[in-house]
Amino acid sequence: EIVMTQSPAILSVSPGESATLSCRASQNVYRFLAWYQQKPGQAPRLLIYAASTRAADIPARFSGSGSGTEFTLTITRLQSEDFAVYYCQQYSGWPPKITFGPGTKVDI
Amino acid sequence: QITLKESGPSLVEPTQTLTLTCSFSGFSLSSSGVGVGWIRQPPGKALEWLALLYWNTDKRYSPSLNGRLTITEDTSKNRVMLTMTKVDPVDTATYYCAHRLDIGADDVFDVWGPGTMVTVS
Repeated sequence: EIVMTQSPAILSVSPGESATLSCRASQNVYRFLAWYQQKPGQAPRLLIYAASTRAADIPARFSGSGSGTEFTLTITRLQSEDFAVYYCQQYSGWPPKITFGPGTKVDI
Repeated sequence: QITLKESGPSLVEPTQTLTLTCSFSGFSLSSSGVGVGWIRQPPGKALEWLALLYWNTDKRYSPSLNGRLTITEDTSKNRVMLTMTKVDPVDTATYYCAHRLDIGADDVFDVWGPGTMVTVS
């Protein structure tokens, strides 16, 4: 099983600043990597897939990069609604063995 | 507009079988590229993928659930069901169903239901 790790576990930032979240895979997942945002009491929301493609209606301040085993989600000009938990998900291989990371909480 | 909603028992006894239903609208499971997945989240913990049903009736399961899962479809009623056998208190979680992004070959989930909380006790 491909194990996903995320760092840091908690990231404290102020509105208007930028945030850089990291996700690492235990083996090569190429660019089969997605990012989700989850707010308390809500379902996750797809932000990024294929490592760097923004999902529909996702603002340009969210960007993804990376390939292989190292990935980054960058959020510029943080707004109050961006404070949430962010999960990465790999979906490499066939048949799929989808795994999620443990999450990074972006906190004020 | 794509919507999904999960339903099922809120409380299940250990060793019993849990059946959850995902009722959806706004898409057809027979359309190429479409899929419905199940993902769960124990209280305060991370997401865990469980199963995925594809438009071509292919079904895939998380190996960590050791054969306890079955995903089925009721195409005429726009529903997808997930059955989990031999439940245990560690299966206590919010269970989500979600629409698989149907552009390209990415097994990611772009629309989610609100989730249903299941307690095993």
